[in-house]
Amino acid sequence: AQTVTQSQPEMSVQEAETVTLSCTYDTSESNYYLFWYKQPPSRQMILVIRQEAYKQQNATENRFSVNFQKAAKSFSLKISDSQLGDTAMYFCAFMNWNDMRFGAGTRLTVKP
Amino acid sequence: GAVVSQHPSRVICKSGTSVKIECRSLDFQATTMFWYRQFPKQSLMLMATSNEGSKATYEQGVEKDKFLINHASLTLSTLTVTSAHPEDSSFYICSARTFYGRNYNEQFFGPGTRLTVL
Repeated sequence: AQTVTQSQPEMSVQEAETVTLSCTYDTSESNYYLFWYKQPPSRQMILVIRQEAYKQQNATENRFSVNFQKAAKSFSLKISDSQLGDTAMYFCAFMNWNDMRFGAGTRLTVKP
Repeated sequence: GAVVSQHPSRVICKSGTSVKIECRSLDFQATTMFWYRQFPKQSLMLMATSNEGSKATYEQGVEKDKFLINHASLTLSTLTVTSAHPEDSSFYICSARTFYGRNYNEQFFGPGTRLTVL
């Protein structure tokens, strides 16, 4: 079974600064998808960014970008120009054809 | 993005009763639906995966007789917690995945259901 590891339970960053959240995963498959989800206090899961494993180019979405290292099975999220609204739980997720697994999450606090 | 609804959003029940939670994909056909459980300050734990018209596949440690899942159509899946007990109190989240149309291979999450068993 696939496993996803987020080794940073909590992180904080000053507003307008940059922060990187770490994620590693373990799989024997070659085709899969990786995601970062944001879960605010409302607990609605919000997709932040998605990466297809077959694509070498790192995905970017405005202030959010990833560093995907397939050989190292690493998938970190960089948030640039952090905003107060970025405060939330962030989950890294692995998806193959039949299921999706989540990491333990990182609680990010953006300080004014 | 596509919309997934869950009903009810919040439910309180007495110990020993059964509770049904509905998960609907509102504007797309869901090939597969997933049910997750989330305890406070913890991650989402996959409970089961269901494909339309077939039996659900449960994760190890999840009692299939206690958590009944039905995926009768491409837009509706239900989770029934039978003979609920206080330890079943949790936040339940469904998600729907499709291999059709413009949302191919996307996965969309419902807003969750908070279950409290007294």
